[in-house]
Amino acid sequence: DVKVTQSSRYLVKRTGEKVFLECVQDMDHENMFWYRQDPGLGLRLIYFSYDVKMKEKGDIPEGYSVSREKKERFSLILESASTNQTSMYLCASSLRTGGFLNTEAFFGQGTRLTVV
Amino acid sequence: AQSVTQLGSHVSVSEGALVLLRCNYSSSVPPYLFWYVQYPNQGLQLLLKYTSAATLVKGINGFEAEFKKSETSFHLTKPSAHMSDAAEYFCAVSRPNAGNNRKLIWGLGTSLAVNP
Repeated sequence: DVKVTQSSRYLVKRTGEKVFLECVQDMDHENMFWYRQDPGLGLRLIYFSYDVKMKEKGDIPEGYSVSREKKERFSLILESASTNQTSMYLCASSLRTGGFLNTEAFFGQGTRLTVV
Repeated sequence: AQSVTQLGSHVSVSEGALVLLRCNYSSSVPPYLFWYVQYPNQGLQLLLKYTSAATLVKGINGFEAEFKKSETSFHLTKPSAHMSDAAEYFCAVSRPNAGNNRKLIWGLGTSLAVNP
């Protein structure tokens, strides 16, 4: 069974802390994504990576950074957590294709982060 | 620019009734279209996708969707709702643009409630 695993389901952090969210996939996918999900706002792309050490900004990258040192692992970093980063964070992966993104994205269970 | 509109953020049906979740898109080129489902406290999973083959697409759990180019729609239907169908449903379209062809554009989601 294919799997995208996020390291924590629930996380509570203090304002100003550096926070690491980890995501591992076992499908040998080239693409990996970090989204945040908020009520009424749907899914918003933070960053994505299409290869090891490669990354591109998504729609809301401010306050976040990412790291992809190995193909199977994609980390999201909140440099200095703030209360407005309280959210559900979803990691996903997919195969790289030459043209349209026409392959299925597989999602992790999500990490519900609360910043107090 | 591409966009996705899901009409109705909340839909409520009775068990056994028809499910119809609406999705309209805008795209300057033929898109690929997807429906994903998110059960409570879970990540998203693919229900079905349209990738320019048959316009009527069958997915998992008895769902299907029809691509109508003239109406720029990709509505999701199921003939008979089951209690287990209660979930959040997301429509998404691929963005076929060099440098950005790995992103999906997401609708805001429709929450489906099924009443006994």
